[in-house]
Amino acid sequence: DQQVKQNSPSLSVQEGRISILNCDYTNSMFDYFLWYKKYPAEGPTFLISISSIKDKNEDGRFTVFLNKSAKHLSLHIVPSQPGDSAVYFCAASLPSGTYKYIFGTGTRLKVLA
Amino acid sequence: DAGITQSPRYKITETGRQVTLMCHQTWSHSYMFWYRQDLGHGLRLIYYSAAADITDKGEVPDGYVVSRSKTENFPLTLESATRSQTSVYFCASNPGTDTQYFGPGTRLTVL
Repeated sequence: DQQVKQNSPSLSVQEGRISILNCDYTNSMFDYFLWYKKYPAEGPTFLISISSIKDKNEDGRFTVFLNKSAKHLSLHIVPSQPGDSAVYFCAASLPSGTYKYIFGTGTRLKVLA
Repeated sequence: DAGITQSPRYKITETGRQVTLMCHQTWSHSYMFWYRQDLGHGLRLIYYSAAADITDKGEVPDGYVVSRSKTENFPLTLESATRSQTSVYFCASNPGTDTQYFGPGTRLTVL
């Protein structure tokens, strides 16, 4: 029972173009969503987050969109750079105060120079 | 100012052996977590701790034991390793915000 799903295991994008990574969730009680980036042989690092009371959050080249009615969030990277090549995980948390996350399975992004 | 460290980084063991993976953080964060990363499953929570001497199970706790006698340390023990526990293990900490900070991971192979 995967509550957070990333249906695209991989994505290739040309340098300078937009990368769009998608994530779907099933639990309407999730109140906070995050994106993490992971390079090989390293731990995941926090990228950007969004509260369920918002529908968009922007940080430089990274924007996260949340569509609560569709239970869908997406990460936009514009413009994509070769250094963005990594595995991206979306995660969701419940309002329990425990800060436990449910992670998706990840999407491997490759930005082609 | 190492942040969060894990040791060993790589470990090969045999079925049935006891293995302990170490996690140490220098920030005095209250919350600590253990995850395993497997292909097709992403990151799954094994155990978490809200403070010293307070631990609770995550999604996949079977076969694992944790302890947290000091705030900065959160060791994970596989009491009798099985091949299905071959994985990459990540420790994380959280100061009580919505951002978790991950260690570099331990790659464990059980033969």
